[in-house]
Amino acid sequence: AQSVTQPDIHITVSEGASLELRCNYSYGATPYLFWYVQSPGQGLQLLLKYFSGDTLVQGIKGFEAEFKRSQSSFNLRKPSVHWSDAAEYFCAVGAINYGGSQGNLIFGKGTKLSVKP
Amino acid sequence: NAGVTQTPKFQVLKTGQSMTLQCAQDMNHNSMYWYRQDPGMGLRLIYYSASEGTTDKGEVPNGYNVSRLNKREFSLRLESAAPSQTSVYFCASSQAGSNQPQHFGDGTRLSIL
Repeated sequence: AQSVTQPDIHITVSEGASLELRCNYSYGATPYLFWYVQSPGQGLQLLLKYFSGDTLVQGIKGFEAEFKRSQSSFNLRKPSVHWSDAAEYFCAVGAINYGGSQGNLIFGKGTKLSVKP
Repeated sequence: NAGVTQTPKFQVLKTGQSMTLQCAQDMNHNSMYWYRQDPGMGLRLIYYSASEGTTDKGEVPNGYNVSRLNKREFSLRLESAAPSQTSVYFCASSQAGSNQPQHFGDGTRLSIL
């Protein structure tokens, strides 16, 4: 069955430091992968997506993610974190046959990012 | 520029009461979804509608019903609310297909006493 694992529940980084959030997936074929961000009290906003082709994808707000098939990973990175990046981040995989139908996302449990001044 | 609109934003119910959460999207999307979010659990799919006129169970459908009223609207009903249904509920929509990103509303925060 498809699944997504985000190993880190909570990460704290200093403002200006680099960031990497880990995501591992389990999926039989080439996956469709997404990263979303959720600010407190808000819904989820799409940061970036991977479908095929170039394994390094650029997203909004200066984020990027790299797809590594050999490691079943899709880690999110940012070179320099800003205080406004404090939020919860969710990795998701697009499931072909969840419950026998198409078009569903399987989400990881999320990583909460705190930013120290 | 509304996207996905959920109503209400907050609600407190007593055990056994019923309630319908409303969701509407203005992006002409075919597919709509209802999730619940609980601390440490991520988002779990309750029900989804791949297209107008169809609905299917997700991971955690027990205690809920849905109606795809038309292409724009997808409602979630709690017939007899239980404290275990205290959660934040999110509606989302997308074009059909698992490669399509989902667009989320701001959520309904529901407490059941």
